[in-house]
Amino acid sequence: NAGVTQTPKFQVLKTGQSMTLQCAQDMNHEYMSWYRQDPGMGLRLIHYSVGAGITDQGEVPNGYNVSRSTTEDFPLRLLSAAPSQTSVYFCASSSDRNSNQPQHFGDGTRLSIL
Amino acid sequence: DAKTTQPNSMESNEEEPVHLPCNHSTISGTDYIHWYRQLPSQGPEYVIHGLTSNVNNRMASLAIAEDRKSSTLILHRATLRDAAVYYCILTNFGNEKLTFGTGTRLTIIP
Repeated sequence: NAGVTQTPKFQVLKTGQSMTLQCAQDMNHEYMSWYRQDPGMGLRLIHYSVGAGITDQGEVPNGYNVSRSTTEDFPLRLLSAAPSQTSVYFCASSSDRNSNQPQHFGDGTRLSIL
Repeated sequence: DAKTTQPNSMESNEEEPVHLPCNHSTISGTDYIHWYRQLPSQGPEYVIHGLTSNVNNRMASLAIAEDRKSSTLILHRATLRDAAVYYCILTNFGNEKLTFGTGTRLTIIP
């Protein structure tokens, strides 16, 4: 079982460059989300989606865009990378909005902005 | 959102039980208590969750206080693989977003 797959695993960017972090899940989950984790800190929610075509902002959305055209994919776009966006990014999914459902996480994308 | 409080770090000997505490004094009646753990260089992993009653699964047990203001994650026989950061998180219907604190870093001593 693939679960939640994130690509790439590592990426180095220069300030001002743009890129898309990919997230795909094969569990037919409705709910997907993106988190970032900085050293010594817990995860912070960036954006989330409760189904195809529906997205909303989390705690730290500035500098990031998302879209959800299919149930399976939830890409995260950095429009103009800044050093403050150096972080580890995790994608997660769960079957629905029911708080009784566990969330499944990918292995993360480690992003460095120079 | 209701907050949780956990010790920053704990140590335990290998093959002994581990009790990880979590305080959530402002929990509402419909909040679920979830536990996740994060091994080094990996994404968080679901461990267990509950609402009011104690819960058991293959990974751990969750003991919930009668007033629900605290809970304890129990690892019955710790192994080196259990060394991780453990997060106690509250969720509610319509607020499926997970709010992670800094968790408890568990060190297992061989």
